[in-house]
Amino acid sequence: GEQVEQRPPHLSVREGDSAVITCTYTDPNSYYFFWYKQEPGASLQLLMKVFSSTEINEGQGFTVLLNKKDKRLSLNLTAAHPGDSAAYFCAVSARYGGSGNKLIFGTGTLLSVKP
Amino acid sequence: GGIITQTPKFLIGQEGQKLTLKCQQNFNHDTMYWYRQDSGKGLRLIYYSITENDLQKGDLSEGYDASREKKSSFSLTVTSAQKNEMAVFLCASSIGTRQDTQYFGPGTRLLVL
Repeated sequence: GEQVEQRPPHLSVREGDSAVITCTYTDPNSYYFFWYKQEPGASLQLLMKVFSSTEINEGQGFTVLLNKKDKRLSLNLTAAHPGDSAAYFCAVSARYGGSGNKLIFGTGTLLSVKP
Repeated sequence: GGIITQTPKFLIGQEGQKLTLKCQQNFNHDTMYWYRQDSGKGLRLIYYSITENDLQKGDLSEGYDASREKKSSFSLTVTSAQKNEMAVFLCASSIGTRQDTQYFGPGTRLLVL
């Protein structure tokens, strides 16, 4: 079945620097992808939902790139600020049994942005 | 908009105890999920339900039972808590199971003494 690998597990950057988190997946038929942000003690908040037809997806302060050939999804924070400090999870929609799809989550990246 | 509530927020149990976690959503979503989150392991699916009274096992269903009593609520039971177990249990819901976004509750933090 689908497997998702997320790197790096920990990332520390200075305010204003860029931060890049990458997920690789195995199923070439995957067609929906998600990035979630989890602040300390809080639940997961959706950052962006990405469709397989769109390779570059712009958000507020970040860009999500999808490389279908390499089966790679990346989250690029262009100028990180301390409020971006959180855990980030990618998720890939994969077929599951006969009841539709499920999300396969990456293991998470703990981002720390220092002033 | 809508909201997912989970009770209790913190749950401390004894080894061997049966523990129940509850989840309610007012999105009017058909599908609900229970995930377990362990440090360094991401989220793993325990059970999900595509409609009232439906139950589907996830990858981590052993040691758990679930119940979808009505469309808005989904309960998870730890059948026999394991000593030193510590994890966060997250409930989520979505319109369906195909491409729909899953929305998450705040979680229940479990500690077994």
